[in-house]
Amino acid sequence: AQKITQTQPGMFVQEKEAVTLDCTYDTSDQSYGLFWYKQPSSGEMIFLIYQGSYDEQNATEGRYSLNFQKARKSANLVISASQLGDSAMYFCAMREAKTGANSKLTFGKGITLSVRP
Amino acid sequence: DSGVTQTPKHLITATGQRVTLRCSPRSGDLSVYWYQQSLDQGLQFLIQYYNGEERAKGNILERFSAQQFPDLHSELNLSSLELGDSALYFCASSPTTGAVYLPLHFGNGTRLTVT
Repeated sequence: AQKITQTQPGMFVQEKEAVTLDCTYDTSDQSYGLFWYKQPSSGEMIFLIYQGSYDEQNATEGRYSLNFQKARKSANLVISASQLGDSAMYFCAMREAKTGANSKLTFGKGITLSVRP
Repeated sequence: DSGVTQTPKHLITATGQRVTLRCSPRSGDLSVYWYQQSLDQGLQFLIQYYNGEERAKGNILERFSAQQFPDLHSELNLSSLELGDSALYFCASSPTTGAVYLPLHFGNGTRLTVT
């Protein structure tokens, strides 16, 4: 079974509007971290935001916020006031404590976001 | 700038050849992870080193190997290259290992093209 599911094939948003990128995850671990990364067309992977499984409040980082619904195992990324530079591929990822001392990042397949002027 | 340096940025080589990808982690980071990104497989974890020791292996082929040196830089060696090895190879680093609350910081990647 996939650990991270990102099913939206591609998203479009008008500049200055908000957009939500969906992510669901699967784990039996109680302790885990959820991350979102941005990959522009230039290829680099940029860390955006983190949410811990024990965090009671949703994470926020500038225009990025995470809508964390633990019971539903979802961690959707919300980008407010979209900018043209937000056009990129977005990846949801998870680190689980049960993998032991190594705790690699497991990624979803990504969502392409295009911001229209 | 993530602080993780990968060289070279681009590599074009022929089938059957061997290449070495190099990674310098962020200052102070002891853990290095290697990932492969291809269109069909997405981002796949290959291998992890922590302070010079191999800690975890993912979907790494036997033709591939890696090491982390005393100065903490890491190299990924790819041999007997096949067309299907063409991909973007990322190195990422983290201060420790096992801390689920810490992100991995990625380099800009090495784009390998096998012809």
